Amino acid sequence: DGGITQSPKYLFRKEGQNVTLSCEQNLNHDAMYWYRQDPGQGLRLIYYSQIVNDFQKGDIAEGYSVSREKKESFPLTVTSAQKNPTAFYLCASMRGSTSTDTQYFGPGTRLTVL
Amino acid sequence: AQSVTQLDSHVSVSEGTPVLLRCNYSSSYSPSLFWYVQHPNKGLQLLLKYTSAATLVKGINGFEAEFKKSETSFHLTKPSAHMSDAAEYFCVVSRNQGGKLIFGQGTELSVKP
Repeated sequence: DGGITQSPKYLFRKEGQNVTLSCEQNLNHDAMYWYRQDPGQGLRLIYYSQIVNDFQKGDIAEGYSVSREKKESFPLTVTSAQKNPTAFYLCASMRGSTSTDTQYFGPGTRLTVL
Repeated sequence: AQSVTQLDSHVSVSEGTPVLLRCNYSSSYSPSLFWYVQHPNKGLQLLLKYTSAATLVKGINGFEAEFKKSETSFHLTKPSAHMSDAAEYFCVVSRNQGGKLIFGQGTELSVKP
């Protein structure tokens, strides 16, 4: 099956700890994206990558970091510098980077800080 | 700059009645517009998209949307609601830069039996 997988589905973190969320795609897409979703709000862009070994900050990058060493993988690290990390995190990928291309989403990871 | 506004945060309909979810957009160029659906604790699924072809766009599960440039609207409709349509719906506009998207706040659709 082609698609996007995110793991784990649920993640609990103690304050002060870094945690890494996994995102893998087997769609052979060039571009990948990380979003944060809070209750009653739309999605906000954290980071995106249009090509391997390159990525750009989105609208709310502070307290997060990413890497793109392989085309199919785009892990997100939530660092201790992120003041309010409890949220639902969604990864997406897209074949190209034009305005008419479609983003496909993974099932999400719910992060809770204890 | 681009923006999108979903006019209703919550819509409730009875099963078998029509659905209307309203979306207005702002864009300095001809936009690409999308509707996505999200069921609880799930990822987003594309319902339909408009990319400057036909103004009436048909999507999955009987949904359709009409692009009206004069009204800057892209409302989502369905003739007859089903219980399985209960979900959160997002209207989205493309930023035309790196494939980035701008999401509306979402409309929660409830379907009563």
